Amino acid sequence: DAGITQSPRHKVTETGTPVTLRCHQTENHRYMYWYRQDPGHGLRLIHYSYGVKDTDKGEVSDGYSVSRSKTEDFLLTLESATSSQTSVYFCAIRDRAFYEQYFGPGTRLTVT
Amino acid sequence: SQQGEEDPQALSIQEGENATMNCSYKTSINNLQWYRQNSGRGLVHLILIRSNEREKHSGRLRVTLDTSKKSSSLLITASRAADTASYFCATSGSRLTFGEGTQLTVNP
Repeated sequence: DAGITQSPRHKVTETGTPVTLRCHQTENHRYMYWYRQDPGHGLRLIHYSYGVKDTDKGEVSDGYSVSRSKTEDFLLTLESATSSQTSVYFCAIRDRAFYEQYFGPGTRLTVT
Repeated sequence: SQQGEEDPQALSIQEGENATMNCSYKTSINNLQWYRQNSGRGLVHLILIRSNEREKHSGRLRVTLDTSKKSSSLLITASRAADTASYFCATSGSRLTFGEGTQLTVNP
């Protein structure tokens, strides 16, 4: 999986609790992305980063925040998890703009 | 909103047959990419075609791009059971935008 790991791989949490997902890369790529994948919606971009401490919102960013303090780590935080955030979350990396992305194995999050 | 839309949503064929999937998009692009996703796994990049290219090959894959019609097609020749997966097109403008995918089933 191109040197990308995600943790945890599975998580069940209760509504209202904060949750942090971690994406770690060993490729030293500049760009990192968080997507969620839901039936009927395909992959939707939550947030992305174009460098350390440089992040921007995607199309479904409400209820999520991110941080990137090191090139290799990109954290996604659900401030107060809701059932609508039950999904599979994928991290991806890219070396340069307009090039292919490499995806992590995904994190399956269930909010009860 | 999704930039790319794949057609059909699902496709079932026999091993050895060819599989064709189509993608339509709405705005101008820098390039168009195809990805495969096996069940329970992350997406894997298959092929990238630039906006000034019309056709590209990679092994059993053939991708065409028609920018005047804002459409692309992915052809998998001589399909195998291992090709069973979901296939996504993604258009690259300022960001990479994915369609909802085509679920391909290749029956042995």
